[in-house]
Amino acid sequence: QSALTQPRSVSGSPGQSVTISCTGTSSDVGAYNYVSWYQQHPGKAPKLMIYDVSKRPSGVPDRFSGSKSGTTASLTISGLQAEDEADFYCCSFAGAHYLFGTGTKVTVL
Amino acid sequence: EVQLVQSGGGLVQPGGSLRLSCAASGFTFSNYWMTWVRQAPEKGLEWVVNIKHDGSEQYYMDSVKGRFIISRDNSQNSLFLQMNSLRAEDTAVYYCARFGDSGFDLAYWGQGTLVTVSS
Repeated sequence: QSALTQPRSVSGSPGQSVTISCTGTSSDVGAYNYVSWYQQHPGKAPKLMIYDVSKRPSGVPDRFSGSKSGTTASLTISGLQAEDEADFYCCSFAGAHYLFGTGTKVTVL
Repeated sequence: EVQLVQSGGGLVQPGGSLRLSCAASGFTFSNYWMTWVRQAPEKGLEWVVNIKHDGSEQYYMDSVKGRFIISRDNSQNSLFLQMNSLRAEDTAVYYCARFGDSGFDLAYWGQGTLVTVSS
């Protein structure tokens, strides 16, 4: 039950786009279309941003989008804003249990 | 409004026990799977355990099997985590969370509660 692999950090200027990758295996990300993404600000609980690979919950800006190819899922933030600076985690169903990613710090320059 | 309010937590010695609670409101608690997720200091999120809406199935991460017990009381809209034989590596903020309507995402989270295992 190893964590999914994410880049430690990504950064971009306001208005730019950034993409966070989430690499798993054929037993988790590659096996199910149940990848979700969470945003976490310091000292706060995580917030659901994307579910079922590419669906957005009500209230999440459409600047956030998700996709998947094979064993790698991705989260793209378009039109980066200052309030997007946070930690982001992917999560995949892996058959009776769940795996989170290692986490990515998004910095808005 | 969906709310998950956690209680319990605190400082406990290695080998000790602790019980966490999560009080749910704003939704039909008995209709949803629930979960506990933890986050060690300055570390990432880690899924710990799930429980089915009726309590009939539970799934645990390997490192807590035989030590932690998840349970729920649907009549009291409450979720629990009994943690026994605690180790230093169990030190973390523990979050309860509710699955979303699609069933595979964590749509709502509690505020988190810190568990510190130290002598």
